[in-house]
Amino acid sequence: ELKVEQNPLFLSMQEGKNYTIYCNYSTTSDRLYWYRQDPGKSLESLFVLLSNGAVKQEGRLMASLDTKARLSTLHITAAVHDLSATYFCAVDGTLTQGGSEKLVFGKGTKLTVNP
Amino acid sequence: KAGVTQTPRYLIKTRGQQVTLSCSPISGHRSVSWYQQTPGQGLQFLFEYFSETQRNKGNFPGRFSGRQFSNSRSEMNVSTLELGDSALYLCASTYSGTGVQETQYFGPGTRLLVL
Repeated sequence: ELKVEQNPLFLSMQEGKNYTIYCNYSTTSDRLYWYRQDPGKSLESLFVLLSNGAVKQEGRLMASLDTKARLSTLHITAAVHDLSATYFCAVDGTLTQGGSEKLVFGKGTKLTVNP
Repeated sequence: KAGVTQTPRYLIKTRGQQVTLSCSPISGHRSVSWYQQTPGQGLQFLFEYFSETQRNKGNFPGRFSGRQFSNSRSEMNVSTLELGDSALYLCASTYSGTGVQETQYFGPGTRLLVL
Protein backbone atom coordinates (compact mmCIF):
# COMPACT_ATOMS: atom_id res chain seq x y z
CA GLU A 1 0.00 0.00 0.00
CA LEU A 2 1.35 3.37 -1.02
CA LYS A 3 2.03 5.76 1.83
CA VAL A 4 3.03 9.41 1.50
CA GLU A 5 4.62 11.26 4.38
CA GLN A 6 5.29 14.96 4.61
CA ASN A 7 7.34 16.83 7.13
CA PRO A 8 7.13 19.07 8.85
CA LEU A 9 3.36 19.20 9.33
CA PHE A 10 3.55 22.71 10.71
CA LEU A 11 6.05 25.36 9.74
CA SER A 12 6.25 28.89 11.07
CA MET A 13 8.86 31.06 9.46
CA GLN A 14 9.90 34.65 9.18
CA GLU A 15 9.62 36.62 5.99
CA GLY A 16 12.80 36.53 3.99
CA LYS A 17 13.92 33.12 5.26
CA ASN A 18 14.39 29.90 3.31
CA TYR A 19 12.98 26.50 4.15
CA THR A 20 12.30 23.07 2.67
CA ILE A 21 9.28 20.78 2.92
CA TYR A 22 9.95 17.07 2.45
CA CYS A 23 7.73 14.43 0.89
CA ASN A 24 8.63 10.76 1.16
CA TYR A 25 6.65 7.97 -0.45
CA SER A 26 6.82 4.23 0.06
CA THR A 27 6.42 2.70 -3.39
CA THR A 28 7.95 3.56 -6.72
CA SER A 29 5.90 5.99 -8.79
CA ASP A 30 7.02 8.34 -11.51
CA ARG A 31 4.47 11.07 -11.04
CA LEU A 32 4.35 13.43 -8.10
CA TYR A 33 2.30 16.57 -7.60
CA TRP A 34 2.43 19.56 -5.32
CA TYR A 35 -0.72 21.47 -4.44
CA ARG A 36 -1.50 24.53 -2.38
CA GLN A 37 -4.66 25.00 -0.34
CA ASP A 38 -5.76 28.26 1.28
CA PRO A 39 -8.17 28.09 4.25
CA GLY A 40 -11.67 27.19 3.14
CA LYS A 41 -10.57 26.87 -0.46
CA SER A 42 -9.90 24.11 -2.95
CA LEU A 43 -6.57 22.78 -4.17
CA GLU A 44 -4.42 24.76 -6.56
CA SER A 45 -1.92 22.85 -8.68
CA LEU A 46 1.67 24.03 -8.26
CA PHE A 47 3.92 21.44 -9.90
CA VAL A 48 3.85 18.11 -11.70
CA LEU A 49 7.13 16.19 -11.45
CA LEU A 50 7.48 13.32 -13.87
CA SER A 51 10.96 11.89 -13.79
CA ASN A 52 14.00 11.39 -11.65
CA GLY A 53 15.93 14.59 -11.22
CA ALA A 54 13.03 16.76 -12.33
CA VAL A 55 13.19 20.30 -11.01
CA LYS A 56 10.54 22.96 -11.48
CA GLN A 57 10.45 26.52 -10.25
CA GLU A 58 7.74 29.11 -10.01
CA GLY A 59 8.49 32.34 -8.23
CA ARG A 60 9.79 31.63 -4.75
CA LEU A 61 8.92 27.92 -4.90
CA MET A 62 11.09 25.19 -6.33
CA ALA A 63 10.21 21.50 -6.38
CA SER A 64 12.44 18.53 -7.11
CA LEU A 65 12.01 14.79 -7.42
CA ASP A 66 14.39 11.93 -6.64
CA THR A 67 12.58 8.74 -7.63
CA LYS A 68 15.40 6.50 -6.42
CA ALA A 69 15.18 7.95 -2.92
CA ARG A 70 11.38 8.26 -3.25
CA LEU A 71 11.72 11.84 -2.11
CA SER A 72 10.44 15.16 -3.30
CA THR A 73 11.25 18.55 -1.83
CA LEU A 74 9.50 21.89 -2.02
CA HIS A 75 11.96 24.67 -1.33
CA ILE A 76 10.80 28.12 -0.33
CA THR A 77 13.13 31.01 -1.01
CA ALA A 78 12.84 34.36 0.78
CA ALA A 79 9.37 33.63 2.09
CA VAL A 80 6.64 36.27 1.97
CA HIS A 81 3.34 36.39 3.83
CA ASP A 82 1.35 35.51 0.70
CA LEU A 83 2.91 32.05 0.74
CA SER A 84 1.04 31.20 3.94
CA ALA A 85 -1.11 28.17 3.08
CA THR A 86 -1.17 24.39 3.41
CA TYR A 87 1.00 22.54 0.91
CA PHE A 88 0.26 18.97 -0.11
CA CYS A 89 2.30 16.50 -2.07
CA ALA A 90 0.51 13.66 -3.84
CA VAL A 91 1.68 10.58 -5.67
CA ASP A 92 -0.10 8.87 -8.53
CA GLY A 93 -0.98 5.54 -6.98
CA THR A 94 -2.12 3.98 -10.23
CA LEU A 95 1.51 3.89 -11.35
CA THR A 96 2.49 1.66 -8.43
CA GLN A 97 2.26 -2.11 -8.50
CA GLY A 98 -1.30 -3.09 -7.66
CA GLY A 99 -2.23 0.51 -6.98
CA SER A 100 -5.72 1.78 -7.66
CA GLU A 101 -5.80 5.15 -5.93
CA LYS A 102 -5.49 7.98 -8.38
CA LEU A 103 -3.74 10.38 -6.01
CA VAL A 104 -2.44 9.49 -2.57
CA PHE A 105 -1.85 12.64 -0.55
CA GLY A 106 0.44 13.49 2.29
CA LYS A 107 -1.06 15.04 5.42
CA GLY A 108 -0.05 18.51 4.30
CA THR A 109 2.32 21.13 5.67
CA LYS A 110 0.68 24.20 7.16
CA LEU A 111 3.00 27.07 6.45
CA THR A 112 2.71 30.38 8.29
CA VAL A 113 4.97 33.22 7.20
CA ASN A 114 5.25 35.94 9.81
CA PRO A 115 6.17 39.53 9.00
CA LYS B 1 -12.16 28.05 -20.04
CA ALA B 2 -14.48 27.61 -17.11
CA GLY B 3 -13.06 25.61 -14.23
CA VAL B 4 -14.44 22.58 -12.48
CA THR B 5 -17.80 23.32 -10.91
CA GLN B 6 -19.47 21.50 -8.05
CA THR B 7 -22.98 21.74 -6.73
CA PRO B 8 -24.23 22.29 -4.18
CA ARG B 9 -21.48 24.10 -2.31
CA TYR B 10 -22.92 23.39 1.13
CA LEU B 11 -25.24 20.72 2.45
CA ILE B 12 -26.66 19.80 5.82
CA LYS B 13 -28.15 16.34 6.22
CA THR B 14 -29.11 14.09 9.09
CA ARG B 15 -27.88 10.61 9.84
CA GLY B 16 -29.47 7.92 7.73
CA GLN B 17 -30.30 10.18 4.83
CA GLN B 18 -28.68 9.99 1.45
CA VAL B 19 -27.03 12.72 -0.59
CA THR B 20 -26.04 13.30 -4.20
CA LEU B 21 -23.25 15.65 -5.20
CA SER B 22 -22.57 16.87 -8.71
CA CYS B 23 -19.41 17.76 -10.57
CA SER B 24 -18.99 19.32 -14.00
CA PRO B 25 -15.44 18.96 -15.34
CA ILE B 26 -13.52 21.42 -17.43
CA SER B 27 -14.79 21.37 -21.00
CA GLY B 28 -13.06 18.59 -22.93
CA HIS B 29 -11.93 16.73 -19.84
CA ARG B 30 -13.13 13.16 -19.69
CA SER B 31 -11.70 11.92 -16.41
CA VAL B 32 -13.33 12.87 -13.11
CA SER B 33 -12.01 11.86 -9.71
CA TRP B 34 -13.58 12.35 -6.31
CA TYR B 35 -11.82 12.94 -2.99
CA GLN B 36 -12.92 13.31 0.61
CA GLN B 37 -11.12 15.75 2.88
CA THR B 38 -11.48 15.60 6.66
CA PRO B 39 -9.32 17.05 9.44
CA GLY B 40 -8.57 13.59 10.79
CA GLN B 41 -7.97 11.52 7.67
CA GLY B 42 -6.82 14.24 5.29
CA LEU B 43 -7.42 13.87 1.58
CA GLN B 44 -8.56 10.43 0.48
CA PHE B 45 -9.35 9.16 -3.01
CA LEU B 46 -12.86 7.85 -3.55
CA PHE B 47 -13.08 6.88 -7.22
CA GLU B 48 -12.25 7.91 -10.77
CA TYR B 49 -14.53 7.79 -13.79
CA PHE B 50 -13.54 7.90 -17.42
CA SER B 51 -15.92 7.57 -20.36
CA GLU B 52 -18.78 6.64 -18.03
CA THR B 53 -16.81 3.75 -16.48
CA GLN B 54 -15.26 3.54 -13.05
CA ARG B 55 -11.57 3.19 -13.69
CA ASN B 56 -10.08 3.32 -10.19
CA LYS B 57 -11.51 2.99 -6.71
CA GLY B 58 -10.30 3.87 -3.24
CA ASN B 59 -10.97 2.13 0.06
CA PHE B 60 -14.43 3.39 0.91
CA PRO B 61 -17.49 1.33 1.80
CA GLY B 62 -20.19 0.57 -0.72
CA ARG B 63 -22.34 3.40 0.67
CA PHE B 64 -20.21 5.63 -1.52
CA SER B 65 -21.00 5.32 -5.19
CA GLY B 66 -20.67 7.37 -8.30
CA ARG B 67 -21.46 7.59 -11.95
CA GLN B 68 -20.51 9.56 -14.99
CA PHE B 69 -22.71 10.73 -17.79
CA SER B 70 -21.99 10.93 -21.50
CA ASN B 71 -21.16 14.64 -21.20
CA SER B 72 -18.51 13.73 -18.58
CA ARG B 73 -20.46 15.26 -15.72
CA SER B 74 -20.25 13.09 -12.65
CA GLU B 75 -22.30 12.51 -9.54
CA MET B 76 -21.42 10.81 -6.32
CA ASN B 77 -23.96 9.41 -3.91
CA VAL B 78 -23.61 8.60 -0.25
CA SER B 79 -26.37 6.50 1.25
CA THR B 80 -27.22 5.99 4.91
CA LEU B 81 -25.17 8.96 6.03
CA GLU B 82 -23.04 8.71 9.15
CA LEU B 83 -21.63 11.52 11.28
CA GLY B 84 -18.16 10.62 10.01
CA ASP B 85 -19.19 11.43 6.45
CA SER B 86 -19.06 15.13 7.31
CA ALA B 87 -16.30 16.40 5.06
CA LEU B 88 -15.31 18.52 2.11
CA TYR B 89 -15.87 16.53 -1.07
CA LEU B 90 -13.66 17.58 -3.94
CA CYS B 91 -13.82 16.54 -7.53
CA ALA B 92 -11.00 16.90 -10.00
CA SER B 93 -10.84 16.60 -13.75
CA THR B 94 -8.20 15.86 -16.36
CA TYR B 95 -8.36 15.20 -20.07
CA SER B 96 -7.69 11.48 -19.85
CA GLY B 97 -6.11 10.92 -16.45
CA THR B 98 -3.22 9.00 -17.92
CA GLY B 99 -1.37 11.59 -19.95
CA VAL B 100 2.17 12.18 -18.81
CA GLN B 101 1.85 15.95 -18.54
CA GLU B 102 -1.60 15.97 -17.05
CA THR B 103 -2.48 17.39 -13.72
CA GLN B 104 -5.75 17.19 -11.88
CA TYR B 105 -7.72 20.41 -11.61
CA PHE B 106 -9.87 20.61 -8.53
CA GLY B 107 -13.28 22.15 -8.08
CA PRO B 108 -14.29 24.34 -5.13
CA GLY B 109 -15.76 21.40 -3.24
CA THR B 110 -19.03 20.56 -1.53
CA ARG B 111 -19.00 20.89 2.22
CA LEU B 112 -21.28 18.26 3.76
CA LEU B 113 -22.34 18.38 7.38
CA VAL B 114 -24.15 15.36 8.81
CA LEU B 115 -26.08 15.98 12.04
